[in-house]
Parts: sequence; C-alpha cells; structure tokens
Amino acid sequence: AQSVSQHNHHVILSEAASLELGCNYSYGGTVNLFWYVQYPGQHLQLLLKYFSGDPLVKGIKGFEAEFIKSKFSFNLRKPSVQWSDTAEYFCAVYVVGGKLIFGQGTELSVKP
Amino acid sequence: DAGITQSPRHKVTETGTPVTLRCHQTENHRYMYWYRQDPGHGLRLIHYSYGVKDTDKGEVSDGYSVSRSKTEDFLLTLESATSSQTSVYFCAINRDSEGYGYTFGSGTRLTVV
Repeated sequence: AQSVSQHNHHVILSEAASLELGCNYSYGGTVNLFWYVQYPGQHLQLLLKYFSGDPLVKGIKGFEAEFIKSKFSFNLRKPSVQWSDTAEYFCAVYVVGGKLIFGQGTELSVKP
Repeated sequence: DAGITQSPRHKVTETGTPVTLRCHQTENHRYMYWYRQDPGHGLRLIHYSYGVKDTDKGEVSDGYSVSRSKTEDFLLTLESATSSQTSVYFCAINRDSEGYGYTFGSGTRLTVV
C-alpha cells in the first residue's frame, strides 16, 4: 500500500536557523508530490508541489523542496526560518485514482 | 477564497447519535474528499467522490457513510457517533486541472461525548 513517512514529529529551531524536513514515500509509479502547511487553528494550505521537470521546486514564503526519485524522497527546506513559520507541515503523495496520501505531519516550533 | 465551505464549524454530540457534516463547493469540481485529522496520524482519507452518486472508501471508512446527490454538496454521516470519532474533519476538492492540487475547507471540529 502507498504510504508517506515524515521522519520528524516535532522540530524546534531558533529564528534564522536552517530547516530541513524529511519525507519519504512508498509508491512505485508516477507520483505528484506536495507539501502543505497548517498554521495554528487554520486549514491546510499548499506550500509547493512537484509534478514533473526540475526536481528542485520553489514554493511560497522561501520554501523549496527537492525530489530525489532514487531515494523516494521529497524533503522540504528553508535557509532561514522565522517565528511566523511555526506551524505543522504535511508531506503528501498524489496517486493514481485521485487520492492524496498524507504523512503524519511535522510540528515546527520557531523560537524568537 | 477557493469556494469550499464546511458546516457546522463546531459540533458536540452524544455517543450513539447520527451526525451529518456538509461540504459545499461553488466551483463545479468533480472530485471531493473527506479527511479526518488526528494528532500523530496526519490526515486520513475517509471517503471520496468522483462524481454525482459516485463514491468510494478511503482508509478509515468504518462507521462513516457519504452521499453526493449534487455536484456541489458532499455529505459525511456518522451513523452512530462514537468517542473515537472525535476529530477535526476536513473536506477537500481536487483542483489539479488548474494546477493547484487540493484545496481544503476550514474544517469541522466534532466532539463526541
């Protein structure tokens, strides 16, 4: 069965630190990959997505992610986090049949 | 916004009672989804629909049913609510054709006491 695994459940960083959140998926076919962000008390918002082409994708608010097919990974990065990046981050894989499979989520806390 | 609304936003209900949550879209998208969000589990798919009267089960469908009699409305029913169904429920539409991926509603926080 398809699955998505996010390595870190809770990450705590100071402002200006660099961020990398891991995401691995298990699916042998063509995938579309997403990162969503959920700010406290809000619904999920799309951060960035990968469908095809350049494996390094840039999203909103300075986030980027790299698709490494050989490693089944789609890690999220940001060179310098801000307090306002405090949120929960979800990696997701879109599989055949129109279903979006989510990871467990990573809670990011940024200390001012 | 994306034209997707959920109702109610909050609900407290008693064990054993039926509960229906509504998802309404204004954009005529074919695919609609119901997820539940629980700490440590991320979002898990309950049911989804690929057209009027066309629905299918997700990974956590037990105890839930859905109906889609109109394109714009996708209803989720808890036939007999249990405490394990206390959760936040999100509806989503698939906007892939526009390159946006999924768009989520604001969620319904359901508490079963």
